[in-house]
Amino acid sequence: GAGVSQSPSNKVTEKGKDVELRCDPISGHTALYWYRQSLGQGLEFLIYFQGNSAPDKSGLPSDRFSAERTGGSVSTLTIQRTQQEDSAVYLCASSQIILFGELFFGEGSRLTVL
Amino acid sequence: RKEVEQDPGPFNVPEGATVAFNCTYSNSASQSFFWYRQDCRKEPKLLMSVYSSGNEDGRFTAQLNRASQYISLLIRDSKLSDSATYLCVVRSGGADGLTFGKGTHLIIQP
Repeated sequence: GAGVSQSPSNKVTEKGKDVELRCDPISGHTALYWYRQSLGQGLEFLIYFQGNSAPDKSGLPSDRFSAERTGGSVSTLTIQRTQQEDSAVYLCASSQIILFGELFFGEGSRLTVL
Repeated sequence: RKEVEQDPGPFNVPEGATVAFNCTYSNSASQSFFWYRQDCRKEPKLLMSVYSSGNEDGRFTAQLNRASQYISLLIRDSKLSDSATYLCVVRSGGADGLTFGKGTHLIIQP
């Protein structure tokens, strides 16, 4: 498809396990964003990529969170030693132009930490 | 004060009515403004950008008031399909400077 693709769509894991979430942006989009949305809450910015570099990682909640992007395309968000408070929907978005472009969101990865 | 504030609602509105809601922002240097729509358990999608002079797209009108630091969204002749959460989004500079409000929940009733 032509949209932003995220996987897995649903992930249930046990506390303490590591999880990896994947985002495949729209082809040609240079900017890629990760957000987190908890139940009934707004979108919390985590990190963005311009190409393969992440100029600002300050939105990541703790050092258990990391993200990378390779080849200016696919990005992975890794959460180590998951905690129950990590349970949320993790949304990836991409845009063609980093400062002014419309954000196109994927359907999200719903993470549940038991 | 939160950067972007919205009345969470829900706004319960009869079909065919006109409804409007506002969003206030705290950063006077904010540069760009948007309304996104999010359906239940779906991803946000851009509804419309908000221009300084105000803009209209069909039944939807967006306005910006820089002096009072708020943007508004007006929906005329509301449809059942307009039921959704409307997210106010403000860009305040910097490549990551998009701030999302928590959204206003709108329910159009038959």
